[in-house]
Amino acid sequence: DTAVSQTPKYLVTQMGNDKSIKCEQNLGHDTMYWYKQDSKKFLKIMFSYNNKELIINETVPNRFSPKSPDKAHLNLHINSLELGDSAVYFCASSERFFSGSPTDTQYFGPGTRLTVL
Amino acid sequence: DAKTTQPNSMESNEEEPVHLPCNHSTISGTDYIHWYRQLPSQGPEYVIHGLTSNVNNRMASLAIAEDRKSSTLILHRATLRDAAVYYCILVQGGSEKLVFGKGTKLTVNP
Repeated sequence: DTAVSQTPKYLVTQMGNDKSIKCEQNLGHDTMYWYKQDSKKFLKIMFSYNNKELIINETVPNRFSPKSPDKAHLNLHINSLELGDSAVYFCASSERFFSGSPTDTQYFGPGTRLTVL
Repeated sequence: DAKTTQPNSMESNEEEPVHLPCNHSTISGTDYIHWYRQLPSQGPEYVIHGLTSNVNNRMASLAIAEDRKSSTLILHRATLRDAAVYYCILVQGGSEKLVFGKGTKLTVNP
């Protein structure tokens, strides 16, 4: 069973389009995250949700909007896609809100490679 | 965010031990040392973490210097599957996030 799954694995789209990436975790975790890994391979956190509530919102354009229908799902909607949005997006989850336990670990999904043409 | 310094790359031969160093001279007393790795075309995966004492698990060992300003991830017998980018990350009590640096790209030669 896949612990953290993402769909789609690949997403190719035109500039200006709106797209969504879905993430699901079956670990029963309370907290979920979205990370972006750019072409230089830097991995940066974008958002974090704890029990469906937004707790981290890094400096991300407001074209990016996370949505958590329940604590097992955290979807990422991106409006008006730009060339610079091309990257690999990773979803992750942890048992608790990370600051509650510095020994907690995060489980990452396989990533979604987004290419904006 | 607490900073770590790692070599950009290292090479090893298969079935030999690998010692991956990490410097964290500004570590505070409540910072935990976490290691994650990212295999090619995959998401990062947790490897090990520790606070003060050396730690062992099925994947690796973590040796932490007495002053905690450096640590070493030890892979006892490298396999081709261990080829990955290894990230050393300081996690603060009360911190909200993992801050990934550049990591060390480990190449394992057959």
